[in-house]
Amino acid sequence: EVQLVESGGGLVMPGGSLRLSCAASGFPFSSYSMNWVRQAPGQGLEWVSAISGSGSYMYYADSVKGRITISRDNAKNSLYLQMNSLRAEDTAVYYCARDAYYGFDVWGQGTMVTVSS
Amino acid sequence: SSGLTQDPAVSVALGQTVRITCQGEILRNYYASWYQQKPGQAPVLVLYGKNNRPSGIPDRLSASSSGNTASLTITGAQAEDEADYYCNSRDSSGNHLVFGGGTKLTVL
Repeated sequence: EVQLVESGGGLVMPGGSLRLSCAASGFPFSSYSMNWVRQAPGQGLEWVSAISGSGSYMYYADSVKGRITISRDNAKNSLYLQMNSLRAEDTAVYYCARDAYYGFDVWGQGTMVTVSS
Repeated sequence: SSGLTQDPAVSVALGQTVRITCQGEILRNYYASWYQQKPGQAPVLVLYGKNNRPSGIPDRLSASSSGNTASLTITGAQAEDEADYYCNSRDSSGNHLVFGGGTKLTVL
């Protein structure tokens, strides 16, 4: 079964850091670009970051550039999102999603990040 | 602009046809993909490309595109179609993605 499972969310203080993980299974992980998409409470979807299948290319939304780093470990079938200098506006459910190029065809269940003092 | 614009809310009577639109200049160069999201669930890809449906998506959902506007049409809306719908496309660089603001569909 093709599956993505996120973990690592939680409550963090403003200015703090958090590392999200996404465990992939059921497909050749290194063959796919992967993405992080977030959704603030009651709001719409926002694309956050993408990484190529090899991990050589990374892309970021302007809203997170310089504070967030995407990475992957193809040997472990895992995707990561290192988030630093967190702000209240980073509070959201964070989803990892497989990029089939024509669309995000597989999504995880999401992990909640709350930035609050 | 790389933004995508959607109407915030649309309603349709049960069994009738409804169209949800997504506007943006980038859509002149790229097809949109469409996602359905129900409360408390992750989004699901329902349409992509010219008019393609992933396995398991009912054929009452269809996609079309003209100029800077992409559309999702539901022919014979069912109660289970009530959800938020998001369009998505790549920006002009081809490497960044952008989502529309979403449309809340109510089936009356």
